[in-house]
Amino acid sequence: NAGVTQTPKFQVLKTGQSMTLQCAQDMNHEYMSWYRQDPGMGLRLIHYSVGAGITDQGEVPNGYNVSRSTTEDFPLRLLSAAPSQTSVYFCASSYSILPGGTQYFGPGTRLLVL
Amino acid sequence: ELKVEQNPLFLSMQEGKNYTIYCNYSTTSDRLYWYRQDPGKSLESLFVLLSNGAVKQEGRLMASLDTKARLSTLHITAAVHDLSATYFCAVDVNTDKLIFGTGTRLQVFP
Repeated sequence: NAGVTQTPKFQVLKTGQSMTLQCAQDMNHEYMSWYRQDPGMGLRLIHYSVGAGITDQGEVPNGYNVSRSTTEDFPLRLLSAAPSQTSVYFCASSYSILPGGTQYFGPGTRLLVL
Repeated sequence: ELKVEQNPLFLSMQEGKNYTIYCNYSTTSDRLYWYRQDPGKSLESLFVLLSNGAVKQEGRLMASLDTKARLSTLHITAAVHDLSATYFCAVDVNTDKLIFGTGTRLQVFP
């Protein structure tokens, strides 16, 4: 049981490049979400999904796309990277839609955009 | 727009002392979560508080929720070095979003 996995662990991009951050969970969780963590700003919700085929925007969705074709996977796509997207990105999942569902976080992806 | 504020943002405390971290939020919610994050690591769930007056304890940490005051507290009893970490509260919005506070960085020294 691997829990929530994220790849890559580190990535350096040039401004304007695109890339996909991968997130997968093997716990059959319906709810998955993406956060970014910047120094002094806590975690901010980018996008979330309450089940396969259903996604919605969080607090800071601009510049990011998501899709949820399977229960297990929830990739985050950066369309055209900008230095402001330099951050640590965390994927999380929980068994059901909140309330009460403990979220399990992945190890994070550190992204640097030059 | 929901705002979640924690204070203090930074806390340096001596081993054996007690202290409380506060989490205030700006809109009605009766679901609040506490997480711990070690440097360079991911987040670990500590407590899930689901109703007014809820109190949960684990070791030297105790969390409580007052939904009328829109306030949660995380109380540390007789701090030890292993508790050094950043602590986040998060508030549930409309049952499908979690909004996080800015975190409280705790350092416990001998």
